[in-house]
Amino acid sequence: AQRVTQPEKLLSVFKGAPVELKCNYSYSGSPELFWYVQYSRQRLQLLLRHISRESIKGFTADLNKGETSFHLKKPFAQEEDSAMYYCALSEGNNDMRFGAGTRLTVKP
Amino acid sequence: GAVVSQHPSRVICKSGTSVKIECRSLDFQATTMFWYRQFPKQSLMLMATSNEGSKATYEQGVEKDKFLINHASLTLSTLTVTSAHPEDSSFYICSARGVVQDYNEQFFGPGTRLTVL
Repeated sequence: AQRVTQPEKLLSVFKGAPVELKCNYSYSGSPELFWYVQYSRQRLQLLLRHISRESIKGFTADLNKGETSFHLKKPFAQEEDSAMYYCALSEGNNDMRFGAGTRLTVKP
Repeated sequence: GAVVSQHPSRVICKSGTSVKIECRSLDFQATTMFWYRQFPKQSLMLMATSNEGSKATYEQGVEKDKFLINHASLTLSTLTVTSAHPEDSSFYICSARGVVQDYNEQFFGPGTRLTVL
């Protein structure tokens, strides 16, 4: 069974500091991994997908199959990055499973 | 970009009544639609997955007779909470998956807050 683990429920950093939100997964096949973000009072929206290897809003995430991780990183956090972040794993066209989420707070 | 809408955004009902929530993909065809439930300060929990024209697949522990899902077209899915009780009060979020700009992607609706009195 596929599972996504986000070990940190809360993460707080100061503006300008680096931030890393951890995500580990367990899946026997070839996973598709995503990061979703939910800003206050807004819907869930896609931030990154591992297959596109892009950087969005300064965030990057690298799939490490050896460590089964897909950590989200940003070198210099901004206050507007404060939000809930969900790591998600998809099995092709089937369902998408979410981690428990990490609430990031960036302090001024 | 692709948009998923939900209606209503908020509903309050009496215990024992049924509530229908609509989910529409507005500018793409959704091959698969998903329904999630989110409790305060918690993550999304998948309730069921549905493909157009076929029966929904429910997650373990989700009562299919309680949460009726109809996926009548490639752009519309409905969730009906039957004989609602206060413990059904929650935030229900739908999601639609389809190909948009060559990516098979999943988009989320804004959610529906259900309060059962």
